[in-house]
Amino acid sequence: EIVMTQSPATLSVSPGERATLSCRASQSVGSDLAWYRQKYGQAPRLIIYSASTRAAGIPARFSGSGSRTEFTLTISSLQSEDFAVYYCQQYNDWPRTFGQGTKVEIK
Amino acid sequence: EVQLVQSGAEVKKPGESLKISCKGSGYSFTRHWIGWVRQMPGKGLEWMGFIYPGDSDTRYSPSFQGQVIISADNSINTAYLQWSSLKASDTAMYYCAREELLPSAHLGDWGQGTLVTVSS
Repeated sequence: EIVMTQSPATLSVSPGERATLSCRASQSVGSDLAWYRQKYGQAPRLIIYSASTRAAGIPARFSGSGSRTEFTLTISSLQSEDFAVYYCQQYNDWPRTFGQGTKVEIK
Repeated sequence: EVQLVQSGAEVKKPGESLKISCKGSGYSFTRHWIGWVRQMPGKGLEWMGFIYPGDSDTRYSPSFQGQVIISADNSINTAYLQWSSLKASDTAMYYCAREELLPSAHLGDWGQGTLVTVSS
């Protein structure tokens, strides 16, 4: 199966600053990569799909980039609701797989 | 509006059986893969397996193959996750989710989660 590795495990950022999260796939997934945000006590929510397309209702401060094995999620100016855990997921092959998550916390 | 509504929290004893459900509405149930994601307490998301209700094709993660059964009843637009003999290690939140249609099979919609607690 394709192993997804996220880094860092925890990212400490001040409100208004930029956050950059990384996700690496053990083999090429093309652009079949999504990012999800999970706030505490809530179900995950889709943020980015096809590596770089924002989901409906997601603000422009979120951007995704990358292809094949290296991907990045950038949050340009962190707002209070962005402090959460972020997961990447590949859907290029079965079984689908998630990364272990990056927690974005307030510095 | 797409909705995935899951069954309520469960408290079970080790060795008991369990079947939880996820009812889809607002879309063509048989045309989208639907399945289950586990989240153990304080841990990350784990993809368990999905089913295509149109032909019952089911894909499992190797970690969950043989441990659970995923099924669907198209007459009531509902997917299921079942265990024949629960273990304490099955204690977790279970989310159902729906894949979007190709070319991008991301998880566009999620249920609210079903908390399963297994304790003697």
